[in-house]
Formats: sequence, structure tokens, C-alpha cells
Amino acid sequence: SQQGEEDPQALSIQEGENATMNCSYKTSINNLQWYRQNSGRGLVHLILIRSNEREKHSGRLRVTLDTSKKSSSLLITASRAADTASYFCATVSRGFQKLVFGTGTRLLVSP
Amino acid sequence: DVKVTQSSRYLVKRTGEKVFLECVQDMDHENMFWYRQDPGLGLRLIYFSYDVKMKEKGDIPEGYSVSREKKERFSLILESASTNQTSMYLCASSLDYGYTFGSGTRLTVV
Repeated sequence: SQQGEEDPQALSIQEGENATMNCSYKTSINNLQWYRQNSGRGLVHLILIRSNEREKHSGRLRVTLDTSKKSSSLLITASRAADTASYFCATVSRGFQKLVFGTGTRLLVSP
Repeated sequence: DVKVTQSSRYLVKRTGEKVFLECVQDMDHENMFWYRQDPGLGLRLIYFSYDVKMKEKGDIPEGYSVSREKKERFSLILESASTNQTSMYLCASSLDYGYTFGSGTRLTVV
């Protein structure tokens, strides 16, 4: 079952602009994670935010989590052409280890 | 760094064949997972395992089985491949909440 819905499904921006992707989920979670997937490849873990955290930073990435709204956002600042990829949120529910993925956002960054 | 290796990058099989997809991890992780990825449907969990010889069904186990005889190896088996099993298959392992994925196997059933 899909836990998350991501918005937008596709995003096209210019290099240097910021990219924001949103994720909504349905059940209580232990943590939420963001992954990146280059075309036809495996997923790479970007960042994990726990349910008791509200914001987390890693380099050009900023993730927020609002458990009252069951939503999260991923902000990529000063985007580069190399950021072109699909981005997925995934949740881990309390007491379980398995990841449940959203449907993903395809990001295209043009030079 | 943890490495998760999937034995084949691309695979073409005939309908009715028995297909084995192999996944090996090198960091002694307890948990291993098999997902399939389809356009518009995202990643869906097929099976997972928390320990050797242990397996749990995910969201879409029909038509699949798994084997975990050794901690480092988790195999996905398509007992009788069908065209609707054409997909990208992704293996992952984790110790706690940090997941590492393999590069994927793109399986085409003709």
C-alpha cells in the first residue's frame, strides 16, 4: 500500500533556483526518509528525520516534518543540473522496519 | 560503505520460466527487502526478512517467493514468470533505519 503521496509529480526549474517537493502520509510514523534515484538506477538515501524532529539540514538539503498534518517537504537550494533525478519520500511506522514509499517527484534542472 | 549487490543488471526471461534474482550485502545487516518499481505505482514491497530463514510477506507477494539461507544473501524467486512481472526489482538491506539499495535488476518477461 502506498503510504505517501508526493507533490508535484514533476518539477522543471533552472539551475540556481530552489526546488521544493512535498510528501503527505497516512499513518503514525517513527521516521521519514528521502531518497534520490537517477534514471534507471537504485535509490540513494539522502536524509532521515525522526518523528520528534521538525527540521533537518544536510548540505543544500532542508527537510521539514509536520506530524500534525502528516506531511514533509524537501527543499534543494541552489539546484544544479546534476540534481536532475526522481525524489521519493518513505516512511517507517512505529514498531516496523519496512519502508513504505511515496510515488515520487521527477525533478528536471536545466542548465 | 555498505554495499548491496544485485547479480544482474538486465534480465530477459520467457513466460513460465523459474527466475532467481540474487541480492548480497556485505555489512552483516539483519534486515533485507525486495521491492518492485513500476511507472506510476512507485516502489512496492514484495517480501522482507528480519533474520536467516525468516520471511514476511509485503504488499504484493503473489507470484513470488524468497529464500534466506545465509544472512548476507536474500533471493527473490518467480516460480513461473509472467509478463505482468516485467519490472524493475530493487533489493535493500538495513541494520536500523538506514537503508542501502542495490542498483536494481530490470527484468523483462517475454
